[in-house]
Amino acid sequence: DTEVTQTPKHLVMGMTNKKSLKCEQHMGHRAMYWYKQKAKKPPELMFVYSYEKLSINESVPSRFSPECPNSSLLNLHLHALQPEDSALYLCASSQDSAPARRGNTIYFGEGSWLTVV
Amino acid sequence: AQKITQTQPGMFVQEKEAVTLDCTYDTSDPSYGLFWYKQPSSGEMIFLIYQGSYDQQNATEGRYSLNFQKARKSANLVISASQLGDSAMYFCAIRTGAGSYQLTFGKGTKLSVIP
Repeated sequence: DTEVTQTPKHLVMGMTNKKSLKCEQHMGHRAMYWYKQKAKKPPELMFVYSYEKLSINESVPSRFSPECPNSSLLNLHLHALQPEDSALYLCASSQDSAPARRGNTIYFGEGSWLTVV
Repeated sequence: AQKITQTQPGMFVQEKEAVTLDCTYDTSDPSYGLFWYKQPSSGEMIFLIYQGSYDQQNATEGRYSLNFQKARKSANLVISASQLGDSAMYFCAIRTGAGSYQLTFGKGTKLSVIP
């Protein structure tokens, strides 16, 4: 079982709604990530938090707003989304930002399937 | 910049047989890590195996092994004794450089295990 938990598993929201995706890890990891994955495509990086600070924003539209309340939690706040934002959103974590080391694998959660109607 | 190439969009394998999924990579960084992930239709991205650029031996994890040929820049995944539950999308990925958060994925290979 994954040690990165995401809620909800499925979310349907209207274009005027405000919702949030939540992610939690208890592995003591200090880097946490949000990825977006469209059907039949690999995941695309959206945001990276390192030691609870936003380190990378891959030019993501402002209708996606990340938040890292503490080292174990990562939220993605959603507002005024478009139908093309419908996708699988994956949360992930790793020990830190150090380069390729065996112990610095990025572990993913089960994902949240988002549908914007 | 780094790049991963997976040339097999889809593969079929008979149950209990072995299968090799191809992955080639390109990077100028001498320090990198190669990862394989499995993604079933449920969506979860499951880490399978890791190979570091300085590792002398090929990585193995249970039924998974990595055929690492550094000079050819290839990191093929070998699954032995395929099971029906192995049917999934498989992604090869690379992570390079100091302070790099980027995990660059290939396009993936869809593996189907036939009973």
